[in-house]
Amino acid sequence: DAKTTQPPSMDCAEGRAANLPCNHSTISGNEYVYWYRQIHSQGPQYIIHGLKNNETNEMASLIITEDRKSSTLILPHATLRDTAVYYCIVRVREYGNKLVFGAGTILRVKS
Amino acid sequence: KAGVTQTPRYLIKTRGQQVTLSCSPISGHRSVSWYQQTPGQGLQFLFEYFSETQRNKGNFPGRFSGRQFSNSRSEMNVSTLELGDSALYLCASSLYQGTDTQYFGPGTRLTVL
Repeated sequence: DAKTTQPPSMDCAEGRAANLPCNHSTISGNEYVYWYRQIHSQGPQYIIHGLKNNETNEMASLIITEDRKSSTLILPHATLRDTAVYYCIVRVREYGNKLVFGAGTILRVKS
Repeated sequence: KAGVTQTPRYLIKTRGQQVTLSCSPISGHRSVSWYQQTPGQGLQFLFEYFSETQRNKGNFPGRFSGRQFSNSRSEMNVSTLELGDSALYLCASSLYQGTDTQYFGPGTRLTVL
């Protein structure tokens, strides 16, 4: 079972920041938080990951709370092409490379 | 660098047949994982290969098998196809085992009639 909880869906206005929350209250100290997104019927696209500190790359920012029990993915200026299912995943290291996907959040960016 | 490639992209088979799907990882990546995605079950882990050895396996019947070649390319095989095997099959590659980031291919859409 997935170790994360995400809202089923969210809407965002084009050009505004999209803030996608994720709860992972049982995360272990050595587990990373990964974010992927999947645009309809395509393969999941890696976005960003982090352990403790906030991270930023060209796609997004990841804010992890100090207790690591939750995180937020921020798309700073959402576009229509950001409409997708966003998956927050806690990496279960003892199982090697396995990713456990939950249902994710459907983000709809509207003009 | 080229991304993960999967062939074929679309496939139609009938019940009872078998199918082989192919995955070429990103150049230099040595680990390949396979996932099945269906509307009912979502994305589920099938198995992972590293250095031509299966390192991890999900909860799927023995009809699902795979292998990895010395150049890290991987194939998965499904024998005695069932209607429920209709799905998007995704391959992901990473540098090594462990916590390296996995990068996914576009998938193979399998339809079983």
